[in-house]
Amino acid sequence: AQSVTQLGSHVSVSEGALVLLRCNYSSSVPPYLFWYVQYPNQGLQLLLKYTSAATLVKGINGFEAEFKKSETSFHLTKPSAHMSDAAEYFCAVSFTGTASKLTFGTGTRLQVTL
Amino acid sequence: NAGVTQTPKFQVLKTGQSMTLQCAQDMNHNSMYWYRQDPGMGLRLIYYSASEGTTDKGEVPNGYNVSRLNKREFSLRLESAAPSQTSVYFCASSGLVYEQYFGPGTRLTVT
Repeated sequence: AQSVTQLGSHVSVSEGALVLLRCNYSSSVPPYLFWYVQYPNQGLQLLLKYTSAATLVKGINGFEAEFKKSETSFHLTKPSAHMSDAAEYFCAVSFTGTASKLTFGTGTRLQVTL
Repeated sequence: NAGVTQTPKFQVLKTGQSMTLQCAQDMNHNSMYWYRQDPGMGLRLIYYSASEGTTDKGEVPNGYNVSRLNKREFSLRLESAAPSQTSVYFCASSGLVYEQYFGPGTRLTVT
């Protein structure tokens, strides 16, 4: 069965520092992979997605993620954190033929400090 | 173009009461979903509808029912609310490219 693991429920970085949020998945078939962001009291917004094209995917707000099949990982990065990046981030995986069902990780709350 | 809309935004129920959460999308998407979000557990799929006229159980369907009224609307019903159903409920929809678009959520408290 497919699953998604996000390492670290809370991550704190200084403004201007590198952001690295980790996501690993288990799958026996090629997945589609997504990162979503949730700001307080809002719904989820798509940051970026991997759908078997380029392994390095660029998203909104300066975020990017790299699909590494050998490591079954899809980590999210941003070179320089901004205070407005403080939010909860969810990694999700989907598989073909599953009516686009997504399996979500448990989320990582990113705190950005001055 | 409103995307995915949900009503109500907030609701407080007493144990045993019933209610229906409404969801509508204007993106002509075939698939629609209901999730619940609880602290530390991410989003868990309650029910989904791959297309108009079909519905299927997700990971946590017990205590819920759904209706895909037409292509635009997908409602979630709690027949007899329990405190364990206190949560934030999200509706989502998707087209042919697997990414899902989410509504703003309904915050439900059952006392």
